[in-house]
Amino acid sequence: KNEVEQSPQNLTAQEGEFITINCSYSVGISALHWLQQHPGGGIVSLFMLSSGKKKHGRLIATINIQEKHSSLHITASHPRDSAVYICAVLYNNNDMRFGAGTRLTVKP
Amino acid sequence: GAGVSQSPSNKVTEKGKDVELRCDPISGHTALYWYRQSLGQGLEFLIYFQGNSAPDKSGLPSDRFSAERTGGSVSTLTIQRTQQEDSAVYLCASSIYRDTGGYTFGSGTRLTVV
Repeated sequence: KNEVEQSPQNLTAQEGEFITINCSYSVGISALHWLQQHPGGGIVSLFMLSSGKKKHGRLIATINIQEKHSSLHITASHPRDSAVYICAVLYNNNDMRFGAGTRLTVKP
Repeated sequence: GAGVSQSPSNKVTEKGKDVELRCDPISGHTALYWYRQSLGQGLEFLIYFQGNSAPDKSGLPSDRFSAERTGGSVSTLTIQRTQQEDSAVYLCASSIYRDTGGYTFGSGTRLTVV
């Protein structure tokens, strides 16, 4: 069983839809990353958060430490949001564990 | 093996020495990625291999870094003349094809340059 569970594995949406990707983890962490990987392999770190909520443009990330759960939301989705989104948890010793990723396709 | 295997798990080296890090991906995974995680920093993309195609080296931070993938399977990341700023956890991941998700990450190699 993966220490970091992401859902859904694949997601197809129409342009303009509200998107939610979920991440659950099993033990206490120091921080959680949401990463975006576009075609070509390069990864962009979207958010690093340890509590509460962060917002950047149309992207919102939330984390509930007690429930060991985080969500990434995309409002007014656009085809350029199509990518693989990865949840990664960072432990206090700087070890990192990754979810398997969610492949998002936004159709025009 | 069942997962992505990286070796060594820990490496301490003296400044100026060369190091080799190994990644053995999941059998059948054609895509292989190297990343590094420096203390307190985000994940940094280094290099990407897809099958036998020429790798995407756009993330390599300097010409001291190189990587190869033999026979489309095992990959070696080499750092020459190591510097203290090279200290980080080096992570390898593989997936069946590029951009399909379903990544499996190795447990990483923690490199310390003293």
